[in-house]
Amino acid sequence: NAGVTQTPKFRILKIGQSMTLQCAQDMNHNYMYWYRQDPGMGLKLIYYSVGAGITDKGEVPNGYNVSRSTTEDFPLRLELAAPSQTSVYFCASSKGQGLNEKLFFGSGTQLSVL
Amino acid sequence: EDQVTQSPEALRLQEGESSSLNCSYTVSGLRGLFWYRQDPGKGPEFLFTLYSAGEEKEKERLKATLTKKESFLHITAPKPEDSATYLCAVQAYGNNRLAFGKGNQVVVIP
Repeated sequence: NAGVTQTPKFRILKIGQSMTLQCAQDMNHNYMYWYRQDPGMGLKLIYYSVGAGITDKGEVPNGYNVSRSTTEDFPLRLELAAPSQTSVYFCASSKGQGLNEKLFFGSGTQLSVL
Repeated sequence: EDQVTQSPEALRLQEGESSSLNCSYTVSGLRGLFWYRQDPGKGPEFLFTLYSAGEEKEKERLKATLTKKESFLHITAPKPEDSATYLCAVQAYGNNRLAFGKGNQVVVIP
């Protein structure tokens, strides 16, 4: 069972470039999330989704966009990358027991914007 | 605003030396408090959810407890494989997100 799969694992972007971080889960989970983790800081929620076609902003959504066309996939789009977006990004999913219940995390994408 | 403070930030333990990690929280109506373990270069892994003061949960050498202001993660007779960063998070009723603390980094020396 693969769980939550994130690609790529590492990426270096130049300022102003765009990219999509991919996230897929094979557990048929309703809820999916994107977090960023900065050194010495707690995880911050970027966007989340409660099901296909439904997304909502988290705590730090500026500079990012998401879509959820299927239950399995939840890509995160960075437009016009900025140095402040240098971080480790984690995708997570959970069952429909309630938002934020028992999150399953991917292994992360380390992004540097130079 | 929901706040979570974890202490100590870092802890070095000898194998077998029991200790406790603290998670102090401020939230307007606690819906749940969560503990996760994170190994270097990996995503967090779920450990426990606590919902009400007085509740306790155990898993192997770990035991989590909850009061109205804080939670403790007790590590009994730790082994080197317990070395990790332990994350605490809270969710308030009516809030759509978790508030995470910065973590407790634990190193267990053989």
